[in-house]
Amino acid sequence: KAGVTQTPRYLIKTRGQQVTLSCSPISGHRSVSWYQQTPGQGLQFLFEYFSETQRNKGNFPGRFSGRQFSNSRSEMNVSTLELGDSALYLCASSLVGGGAGANVLTFGAGSRLTVL
Amino acid sequence: DQQVKQNSPSLSVQEGRISILNCDYTNSMFDYFLWYKKYPAEGPTFLISISSIKDKNEDGRFTVFLNKSAKHLSLHIVPSQPGDSAVYFCAASFSGYALNFGKGTSLLVTP
Repeated sequence: KAGVTQTPRYLIKTRGQQVTLSCSPISGHRSVSWYQQTPGQGLQFLFEYFSETQRNKGNFPGRFSGRQFSNSRSEMNVSTLELGDSALYLCASSLVGGGAGANVLTFGAGSRLTVL
Repeated sequence: DQQVKQNSPSLSVQEGRISILNCDYTNSMFDYFLWYKKYPAEGPTFLISISSIKDKNEDGRFTVFLNKSAKHLSLHIVPSQPGDSAVYFCAASFSGYALNFGKGTSLLVTP
């Protein structure tokens, strides 16, 4: 079955712009999580969505937001981009998310954002 | 505040020998621990997990050991193969919510 698909794979933006990243989870997976990967900080949790509801949120400013649609597809948005937002943004899906054991995540290949 | 720490940014091991990757955590509430492997230009892929009620879990060449009193876990790869060369991330969670990842250890297995 198809894996987690993220689009676009690469994008370049300038400071002050906004960006929307898209994620299609594995069919049947209802939980979608987003992570930011930077060389200095590793993978940091942004938020998790389950059944169109944000269930958990990491320690990121309000410029970072997301949503989930009824088909479980998810988008994340970053407004007023800053240089420090340059990172690899990873989406991951799982059947039901947290509260059900180890919650093994399946990751997409990521969207690499460069902010100039 | 980094709750999961991988203090070795890199490790080099000869093919056929054992690779030992270490991870420390600070939050005693964590009850699930996972290891992921990441190749360049790909997302992390799940390797192996362990719950806090166990101290060892084995899957083929991969074994994870958990020492709760020391808040320490390790991943053993035996024997190491060149294809194991990747970045390995340790992760921990409370009941599977909001995985906390370490910064990763880059493993190089040389022929």
